[in-house]
Parts: sequence; C-alpha cells; structure tokens
Amino acid sequence: EVQLVESGGGLVQPGGSLKLSCAPSGFSFSGSTVNWVRQASGKGLEWVARIRSKAKNYATFYAASVKGRFTISRDDSKTTAYLQMSSLKTEDTAIYYCTTDLVPGAWGSFGPWGQGTLVTVSS
Amino acid sequence: QSALTQPPSVSGSPGQSVTISCTGTSNDVGSYNRVSWFQQPPGTAPKLIIYEVSNRPSGVPDRFSGSKSGNTASLTISGLQAEDEADYYCSSYTSSSTYVFGTGTEVTV
Repeated sequence: EVQLVESGGGLVQPGGSLKLSCAPSGFSFSGSTVNWVRQASGKGLEWVARIRSKAKNYATFYAASVKGRFTISRDDSKTTAYLQMSSLKTEDTAIYYCTTDLVPGAWGSFGPWGQGTLVTVSS
Repeated sequence: QSALTQPPSVSGSPGQSVTISCTGTSNDVGSYNRVSWFQQPPGTAPKLIIYEVSNRPSGVPDRFSGSKSGNTASLTISGLQAEDEADYYCSSYTSSSTYVFGTGTEVTV
C-alpha cells in the first residue's frame, strides 16, 4: 500500500521548536511536490506549505499564518521531507499531514495521505 | 488568504443527489481550474475525490462529479449512499502560488 508516514510530533511549549519528518512507503516522491496540511481538533483543513522538486529548483511556498516561522525542506537522497517549526503558538496545535501529487503533474491532487502526526503547543 | 466558503451541512436520502458549493474569489477559484475536493469520514485522513475541477482519480466512483462557474465550484454526489457520510472539503490554487481549503461541509445520508 502506498502511503506517507509522518513523525516527529509531540508536546512543546509556546515559543518552542519542533521538526516533523515525512517519508513515503511503497513509492518515491523525488520528482513531486510535497505539501504539509494541518487540522486542529474538530476544525477544517489548512494548507501550510509546499516544496517543489529539484527540477523546479526546490521552490517553497508558505501560508501567511506560518511564513517566517516554519521552513519546509526535503532530502531526496533520504526520500524524506521536513517541516521545521519555530516560535510555535498555541494555535499551531493540530494534526500535521504531509501529502504529495497523487496524480503526477496535476495541480492540487493531494494524496496519498498518512495518519498524520499530532503537534500540541501548550505550557 | 481567507478560507473558501462552503455550506456547513447538506443532507439527502439514499439514492438522491446532493450538491456542495465552494465559493472563492477571482484570486483563486475564479482564475484557475485547479480546484480539488476531498472526502474525510470521521476519524480518518482525507482522500482526494476530484482534482482540476472535474477529474476523478482512479478508483473514485463516477457518482462524484465536479464543476465550476465563475468564482464558485461545485461537487455533486449522485445516487447517495450511506458510505458517503463524511466531511467534504474543496481546495484551490491561489494567485499567491499557495493553496486554500474550504470551510468544510458535513454530508448526512
């Protein structure tokens, strides 16, 4: 089964940092865009960031709510993507999902989806 | 970037059709044919059911269809089934090269 596996979540104090990892299982995403999407408990989906492939110069884009605090990156040699989160706020508490292009080359075809990793920002 | 606007809930009987709207602006839905729809049953991860306005990934039943007119996209579920009960979210590419999701719609059968 093809899926993405997120890890690195946990409890962190406001103002702290955390680094999430995302690795594919059963396929490779080296030529695809990787996105992070989050969902607070009982709330809707929020797009967080994306990083394009090497062919697209690893271009990165961020939601206004995290710009300047979060950094998305990838290491294709390790087939892993990352989300470095700094200056964390209580409102960053959510399940964080990573996802890629389920349909190669199709815009917004986010998939597959893993089970996510829970980030809790609390004192 | 504000979330796209969806109705909080829609309901229908088995076999009926329901349509969910997704309203954005000329900076997102209105300017790009890059609208997607996701299905999220309770307690599970989202699943892509429509991409680029009206395309279905392999394995998604043709009961699900998408369309767009101006700044509003729509998802129609025909022949409603009990297994279609879930939250549904739209998303769109934006003029800032980012994405934005809709507010979500709960479908009750």
